[in-house]
Amino acid sequence: NAGVTQTPKFQVLKTGQSMTLQCAQDMNHEYMSWYRQDPGMGLRLIHYSVGAGITDQGEVPNGYNVSRSTTEDFPLRLLSAAPSQTSVYFCASSYLADTNYGYTFGSGTRLTVV
Amino acid sequence: SQQGEEDPQALSIQEGENATMNCSYKTSINNLQWYRQNSGRGLVHLILIRSNEREKHSGRLRVTLDTSKKSSSLLITASRAADTASYFCATDAEGGNNRLAFGKGNQVVVIP
Repeated sequence: NAGVTQTPKFQVLKTGQSMTLQCAQDMNHEYMSWYRQDPGMGLRLIHYSVGAGITDQGEVPNGYNVSRSTTEDFPLRLLSAAPSQTSVYFCASSYLADTNYGYTFGSGTRLTVV
Repeated sequence: SQQGEEDPQALSIQEGENATMNCSYKTSINNLQWYRQNSGRGLVHLILIRSNEREKHSGRLRVTLDTSKKSSSLLITASRAADTASYFCATDAEGGNNRLAFGKGNQVVVIP
């Protein structure tokens, strides 16, 4: 049981490049989400999904795209990287029904856009 | 939008002392959760308190919730150096479809 796995751990992109951040969970969680964490800003929700085939926007969705073709995977795509997207990105998952377990987070992807 | 707001932002205490952090929020909630983040790591879920609960304990953690004041507190008793971390509150708003809104976090340093 690996929990939530994020790859890569570190990435440097040039402005205008595109890339996909991978997120996979093996807990059969219905709910998955992407957050970005910036100094002094806490965590801000980018996109989320309540199940395969269903995605929705969070607080800061611009410049990002997601899909959920399987329960396990929830990749985050940066369409055309900008320096403002330099951040630490976290994927999190949970059961959709109200439980005591909260979210399980991945270890993060540290992205630098130059 | 950011819902939880923790106060104080940074706390430095001696090992063995208690650490208290507060969190306020703006809308009605289903539950409120606290998370810990060690430097360079992901967040770890600590405790969840539902809107109809007033107090909850888990080991050395005690959480209170006052829905009339829209506020919560996290108490860590008998702190240890390993408790050094950032602590975040997060709210699951009513009708929010399981989305969590996180506060900006409290940095706690426990001095051995």
